[in-house]
Amino acid sequence: NAGVTQTPKFRILKIGQSMTLQCTQDMNHNYMYWYRQDPGMGLKLIYYSVGAGITDKGEVPNGYNVSRSTTEDFPLRLELAAPSQTSVYFCASSLRENTEAFFGQGTRLTVV
Amino acid sequence: SQKIEQNSEALNIQEGKTATLTCNYTNYSPAYLQWYRQDPGRGPVFLLLIRENEKEKRKERLKVTFDTTLKQSLFHITASQPADSATYLCALDRPNSGYALNFGKGTSLLVTP
Repeated sequence: NAGVTQTPKFRILKIGQSMTLQCTQDMNHNYMYWYRQDPGMGLKLIYYSVGAGITDKGEVPNGYNVSRSTTEDFPLRLELAAPSQTSVYFCASSLRENTEAFFGQGTRLTVV
Repeated sequence: SQKIEQNSEALNIQEGKTATLTCNYTNYSPAYLQWYRQDPGRGPVFLLLIRENEKEKRKERLKVTFDTTLKQSLFHITASQPADSATYLCALDRPNSGYALNFGKGTSLLVTP
């Protein structure tokens, strides 16, 4: 099993550019999440999904969008990149409530 | 608002000793609490989960306690090894967010030979 796969691993964007961070999982998990992690800070929840077709905002959703057309995929879209979005982004999934979360390896994004 | 606190200072211990990490929380009554390990440049990896009605959980050299009265969890690594050096994250369930987790900032552990 591959688990949770994120692409790309690294990316440099210019201010105002857009991009999509890809996330896919092969464990048939219903719950999927996007977090960002800044140096010295805990992981912050951006968006989450409880199943295909259902998404909702987390604590820091501004500047991001998501979609969940299939159980496997949960892409994160940045429309107008800003320096404040420089961070490491992690996608995660879990089978159900009260169970462990599986994380991808992360995408390190720099906006210049 | 919910707050999770972990020691911000790195913990340095000698190989073979027991490492004890602390997680305190306020304004919160979590149903369960989890501990994760994170290595530099990698995603968090699940270690242990403990529920509110459990006092203690063990897995090999790891032990977690959960005191809902004190609002505190302790994470122990016995017979520590240099390979245990990493950042350890405490995480609690996040109400009304699809069972997402609310993470502490983590405590860095360094085990020296």
